[in-house]
Amino acid sequence: EPEVTQTPSHQVTQMGQEVILRCVPISNHLYFYWYRQILGQKVEFLVSFYNNEISEKSEIFDDQFSVERPDGSNFTLKIRSTKLEDSAMYFCASVTLAGGANVLTFGAGSRLTVL
Amino acid sequence: SQQGEEDPQALSIQEGENATMNCSYKTSINNLQWYRQNSGRGLVHLILIRSNEREKHSGRLRVTLDTSKKSSSLLITASRAADTASYFCATLYSGNTPLVFGKGTRLSVIA
Repeated sequence: EPEVTQTPSHQVTQMGQEVILRCVPISNHLYFYWYRQILGQKVEFLVSFYNNEISEKSEIFDDQFSVERPDGSNFTLKIRSTKLEDSAMYFCASVTLAGGANVLTFGAGSRLTVL
Repeated sequence: SQQGEEDPQALSIQEGENATMNCSYKTSINNLQWYRQNSGRGLVHLILIRSNEREKHSGRLRVTLDTSKKSSSLLITASRAADTASYFCATLYSGNTPLVFGKGTRLSVIA
């Protein structure tokens, strides 16, 4: 079964530091997403990415956030200067639009702890 | 907000009982999906129901959709301890918009 792979599984960082979270989406998928989930809270949309550019982003995805697909496989989320409130699980997801269903396949997540 | 809302927030049942979770949303949708999340893990897609469908089954799962009431329900029959997880509904408003998730229902199935 193809899967979405995320690294690291857990990262602890100091406030103000830059963090890069990495994702390897499923190879034939075309749309990529980042969602986040603060502990015990709802799953919030951050950004979607298609054809090497951002297709949609939420209010959470401010200038401190950026995404990149540096090669044909990796999809990264960078937080430029982390804040305490960035502590959350970050989930990468990908989808192929076969049938137009937008069924997401999620990675296991990267837990970010900002101290 | 377009966000779906699940209720109850938490549900505790005995093994073998049925579990019903509800989801309400605010605007017209293309489809509605249910996902499951084990503690500290990613979300796993369970079942999708399109806006022109009223009911779907998959194994022990039964999903209904009432577009007039903008609501859906997920029924898990003959629950097992392994069904313990959080369940989220997610709505798709149009082909290019991202899925919007609700806050989830935490289901505990006690053996």
